[in-house]
Parts: sequence; structure tokens; C-alpha cells
Amino acid sequence: DQQVKQNSPSLSVQEGRISILNCDYTNSMFDYFLWYKKYPAEGPTFLISISSIKDKNEDGRFTVFLNKSAKHLSLHIVPSQPGDSAVYFCAASLDLTQGGSEKLVFGKGTKLTVNP
Amino acid sequence: DARVTQTPRHKVTEMGQEVTMRCQPILGHNTVFWYRQTMMQGLELLAYFRNRAPLDDSGMPKDRFSAEMPDATLATLKIQPSEPRDSAVYFCASAAAGHGGETQYFGPGTRLLVL
Repeated sequence: DQQVKQNSPSLSVQEGRISILNCDYTNSMFDYFLWYKKYPAEGPTFLISISSIKDKNEDGRFTVFLNKSAKHLSLHIVPSQPGDSAVYFCAASLDLTQGGSEKLVFGKGTKLTVNP
Repeated sequence: DARVTQTPRHKVTEMGQEVTMRCQPILGHNTVFWYRQTMMQGLELLAYFRNRAPLDDSGMPKDRFSAEMPDATLATLKIQPSEPRDSAVYFCASAAAGHGGETQYFGPGTRLLVL
């Protein structure tokens, strides 16, 4: 039973446009969320995170939005660039500052293709 | 440039054979994670260690999988006997204790194919 769901296996956008990747979770105990980016033949690398006390976190072209009531988060990439083409994983955990652990629960990933 | 290294990068074996995957965590990191990536399940945590002691291996099939840390610079994941359903990419990640998921550094993975 997937606790973290990424229902879109793939997404294709044009360079310069916005990419929106979605993630849903079922466990209401999760209170810390992360996005990882993975290129072929490499391991995932951390991209951006958000705590449940916030509803938005921004880092350059990347913004993560969290809707706790809907148990939904999304990653926005603006503007999208060809180098952003990768698999994006959504992950959730219990906040360490609230007694949680480093254990991450990942979704299956969404493959983003940004076309020049 | 500190990195997590994993060997071998690729492994093809026949059903029933033993498979050993190795991981060298980043120097100074005392928490090591083993993940498995498949198309069906995505990225799932198999086990993790703190200061070489297992903290959680609930995600690992106990009958055929075993994970150890013989020393602070080496983590191993063994499958004996291997089965075709074990075919996947296995990632090792390391982190400093007491920090959130953003400080997990992943290795490049071992791509395993069991025929």
C-alpha cells in the first residue's frame, strides 16, 4: 500500500514553461516532505524540502507547495530547462525536531522531459 | 569531493547464486541506508544502520537478504539465494546522525539482474 503516491509516471513540457509535479500522501503523521531528482545511472540527489508548518518553500526556480488538508504537495519549476529532465521523487518523513526519524518513504517517481 | 561509492555497478547472475553488494559511505557519516528501486514499488527502504548497528531492517526480506557493516567504511547487502524478483537497482545512502532526509547522500547504485 503506497503511502506516498505520484500518479503521473511521466510529464513533458516545453523549455521556458512551468513544470508541475504532483504528490499525494495518505499517512497524516507525515510532517516533513522532500523532493529528490535523479539522473540516469546516478543516485537521487536532494532538491528541496518543506515542513508541515509551512505551505510554501522556494529555492530559485523551484517551489514546493503543501496542502495539508488535502494531503497533497506539488513541485513547480519555472522556467523549465532541458537540464531539468530527470526523474523526480517525492518523499515523506516524520519531522526530526518532533521526535521523528530519518526514514524516508518515497513515491514511485515522475519522469520529467523538458523539450528545447 | 566526498561521495558514496558502490560496487559493483552492474551485476548479472543466475537464480540461486549469492550476490554481495558493497557500499563505502562518506567519511564521517555514521548512518547508512539501503534502498531498492523497482518499477512496481519505486524507491523503498530496506534497512538502515547507525554507528554500524542495525536500527531498522523491517523493509528487508529476512529469509534471503542480510545487511551488515563490518566496519565504519564498509556496508554490505547480501542476497542468498537470489531470485529473478530481486532484479532491481540497489542504492546505498549515508548521512550524519540527527539530520533530516535532505542530508542523505546516495551512491550511484548497483543494477542487479537475476536470470
